[in-house]
Amino acid sequence: EIVLTQSPATLSLSPGDGATLSCRASQSVSSYLAWYQQKPGQAPRLLIYDASNRATGIPVRFSGGGSGTDFTLTISSLEPEDFAVYYCQQRSNSWTFGQGTKVEIK
Amino acid sequence: EVQLVESGGGLVQPGGSLRLSCAASGFTFSDYGMNWVRQAPGKGLEWVSAIAGSAGRTYYADSVKGRFTISRDNSKNTLYLQMNSLRAEDTAVYYCAKESGFMAPYDYWGQGTLVTVSS
Repeated sequence: EIVLTQSPATLSLSPGDGATLSCRASQSVSSYLAWYQQKPGQAPRLLIYDASNRATGIPVRFSGGGSGTDFTLTISSLEPEDFAVYYCQQRSNSWTFGQGTKVEIK
Repeated sequence: EVQLVESGGGLVQPGGSLRLSCAASGFTFSDYGMNWVRQAPGKGLEWVSAIAGSAGRTYYADSVKGRFTISRDNSKNTLYLQMNSLRAEDTAVYYCAKESGFMAPYDYWGQGTLVTVSS
């Protein structure tokens, strides 16, 4: 099983700050990595697929990068609605999720 | 508009069984793989199971293999998850999710249905 490790567990930032979230895979997943955002009481929402492609309707302030085992999700300037939990997911070998990074208001 | 509506959750005793359903609309159901993902209270997301659009191939997480069975009825646009030998650690909100392409990330999710395993 491919294990995804996200860091940090929590990111305390202010609106307008930039955010960089990390996801590391235990073995190469090529570019088969996605990022989701989840707000309390809601289902997750797809943000990024195949490491760097924004899903439909996702603002340009969200960007993804990386390949192989190391990936990042970058939010260029946090809006109030961006404070949430973010998960990475790989689909290279079955499917697994990372444990999540919570982006909270400082 | 794509809609996924789960049902069938509830309280069940350890060792019991439950069948979840996910009614799909707004897309050609048989063209897409479908998945179940769960989330224990206060915890992260855990992939549970997947089924190809043609219902030919199925996949399971090790934690549920041999106890859960995924299936679909393309004539009814409905996805199912039969859960047997339930354990306390199966307590979670169960989401159905639509793949955006062949084994691709999920572009649509249901609202979830809560399964509680407790005596």
